[in-house]
Amino acid sequence: NAGVTQTPKFRVLKTGQSMTLLCAQDMNHEYMYWYRQDPGMGLRLIHYSVGEGTTAKGEVPDGYNVSRLKKQNFLLGLESAAPSQTSVYFCASSYSSLVPYNEQFFGPGTRLTVL
Amino acid sequence: DAKTTQPPSMDCAEGRAANLPCNHSTISGNEYVYWYRQIHSQGPQYIIHGLKNNETNEMASLIITEDRKSSTLILPHATLRDTAVYYCIVRLDNNNDMRFGAGTRLTVKP
Repeated sequence: NAGVTQTPKFRVLKTGQSMTLLCAQDMNHEYMYWYRQDPGMGLRLIHYSVGEGTTAKGEVPDGYNVSRLKKQNFLLGLESAAPSQTSVYFCASSYSSLVPYNEQFFGPGTRLTVL
Repeated sequence: DAKTTQPPSMDCAEGRAANLPCNHSTISGNEYVYWYRQIHSQGPQYIIHGLKNNETNEMASLIITEDRKSSTLILPHATLRDTAVYYCIVRLDNNNDMRFGAGTRLTVKP
């Protein structure tokens, strides 16, 4: 099993450009998450999904949109990138939100730089 | 969710036990304590979690004080590969918003 994969690994954007980050998981997990991590800080939740076709806002949702059209994929979109969105983006998935099935499995991250 | 306090950094000798403390004095009765670690900019990795009782798995042990206001993650025989940032997180069951703090940077030295 590949676990959680993220595409792309690196990206450089100019201010105002748009892009989509793709997260895929092959563990049949219901829950998927998008986090961002700024230098020297912990992860912060952007958006999450509790199942196909559903999404919800996390701690820092502004400037991002998400979609979960297929159970195995969770897309994160930036419509008009800003330098403040320069960060490392991590995707995660879990079987459930309830103990003991709520262990989150993380992808390797996408390093995004907005100039 | 309750806020946690961890030391910013710690060192440990290879082969010795690493004891990482976490203070969560405002924890409520139904909040769990979770530990994750992040090795060199990789995605975080789950280690262990507990509610009231001490827990042990193949990676670590979690000791929670009786009043639940603090806990300690124990890596019994630290190796160089255990060098990482360790995050202590307190969250309610069924809460999807897991709040990571700055964590403790553990350096295991030869």
